[in-house]
Amino acid sequence: DIQMTQSPSSLSASVGDRVTITCRASQTIVSHLNWFQQKPGKAPQLLIYAASRLQSGVPSRFSGSGSGTDFTLTVSSLQPEDFGSYYCQQSYTFPYSFGQGTKLEI
Amino acid sequence: EVKLVESGGGLVKPGGSLRLSCATSGFTFFNYTMNWVRQAPGKGLEWVSSISSSGSYIYYADSVKGRFTISRDNAKNSVDLQMNGLRAEDTAVYYCAREEYYYDSSVYYYVPYFDSWGQGGLVTVFS
Repeated sequence: DIQMTQSPSSLSASVGDRVTITCRASQTIVSHLNWFQQKPGKAPQLLIYAASRLQSGVPSRFSGSGSGTDFTLTVSSLQPEDFGSYYCQQSYTFPYSFGQGTKLEI
Repeated sequence: EVKLVESGGGLVKPGGSLRLSCATSGFTFFNYTMNWVRQAPGKGLEWVSSISSSGSYIYYADSVKGRFTISRDNAKNSVDLQMNGLRAEDTAVYYCAREEYYYDSSVYYYVPYFDSWGQGGLVTVFS
């Protein structure tokens, strides 16, 4: 099974900051990497798919990069509404797996 | 508008059974693979099961294999998760999620991703 490891597990940042979350796969997943944002009590929402493709309706301050085993999610200028938890997920092979999550506090 | 609505959650004793349903609308259901993802209280996301558009291909997480059964009714635009032999560690919010695909022409791969999610249904297993 493919293990997904995110870092950091939590971080605190200020409005306007540039924030980067990393995700590492235990084996190559090519570009089969997706990022989700989840707010308390709500369902996850897709931000980035296929490592770098921005989901429709998601602000352009969110971006993704990477391939193979190492990936990053970047928020270029943090906004107050960006608080919540962020998860990476591999869809290269079953069982699909998620990272443990990164809790972002503003 | 794409909608996914889970129902059937509730309280059950260890060893008991429960059936979750996900009713969908706003898209051509029989064209899409569907998934179940769960989240234990205060924990991260865990993929549970996947069923292809025709129902021919089914996958499970090891943690539920042999106990849970995913199925779909393309006439009713719904996907179900039958959960038997429930354990305390199955306590979670269960989400159904639609699977979309992106074709990455640089590597000739289709990349699956979950583009729409339901609001979740809570399953609590307690003694």
